[in-house]
Amino acid sequence: SQTIHQWPATLVQPVGSPLSLECTVEGTSNPNLYWYRQAAGRGLQLLFYSVGIGQISSEVPQNLSASRPQDRQFILSSKKLLLSDSGFYLCAWSPGQGAQPQHFGDGTRLSIL
Amino acid sequence: DAKTTQPPSMDCAEGRAANLPCNHSTISGNEYVYWYRQIHSQGPQYIIHGLKNNETNEMASLIITEDRKSSTLILPHATLRDTAVYYCIVRVADSGYALNFGKGTSLLVTP
Repeated sequence: SQTIHQWPATLVQPVGSPLSLECTVEGTSNPNLYWYRQAAGRGLQLLFYSVGIGQISSEVPQNLSASRPQDRQFILSSKKLLLSDSGFYLCAWSPGQGAQPQHFGDGTRLSIL
Repeated sequence: DAKTTQPPSMDCAEGRAANLPCNHSTISGNEYVYWYRQIHSQGPQYIIHGLKNNETNEMASLIITEDRKSSTLILPHATLRDTAVYYCIVRVADSGYALNFGKGTSLLVTP
């Protein structure tokens, strides 16, 4: 069966510091991968998605970037964090085509001080 | 993607069936209905999805009306662990990649 792993679960970072969140998927190949952010009391916002290695699409302009160095690895990064980057970051995967659903990781709660 | 309407909150007694409605009156013929739930401080969990026919899995049943303008998610024997926000999402397969979760229904299962 397929599993998705995200780490760390919680992170506290100072303003201006760099960020690297990692997500890996097991038990499948060539998945679509996604990064979402959920601000407190708000819905999920899609940040990035990837349909293959090195292929990244950005949904909203922001202070963040994403990379997919391997088929089942998705990384969310920032060079300098802003206070507004605080939130709950979720990685998800889905099979490449069709109506199959997205499956989410447990998320990383990021607090910027 | 079609817009969905869900009640903001519902209560259900433990052991009873929880029936969560979703209205999607503008749904088009190639749009699927997906249900997810999110327990506080966790990632959303996929529950079930369907196009036209009713669907059942180990977690729940999905009943879609014949005109497809509404659906009901049924948790047959609700437990306290089913307390969560439930989201009904309508979208075309391969239509783009964002899931629009909306506000959902906050289900409280009581002892």
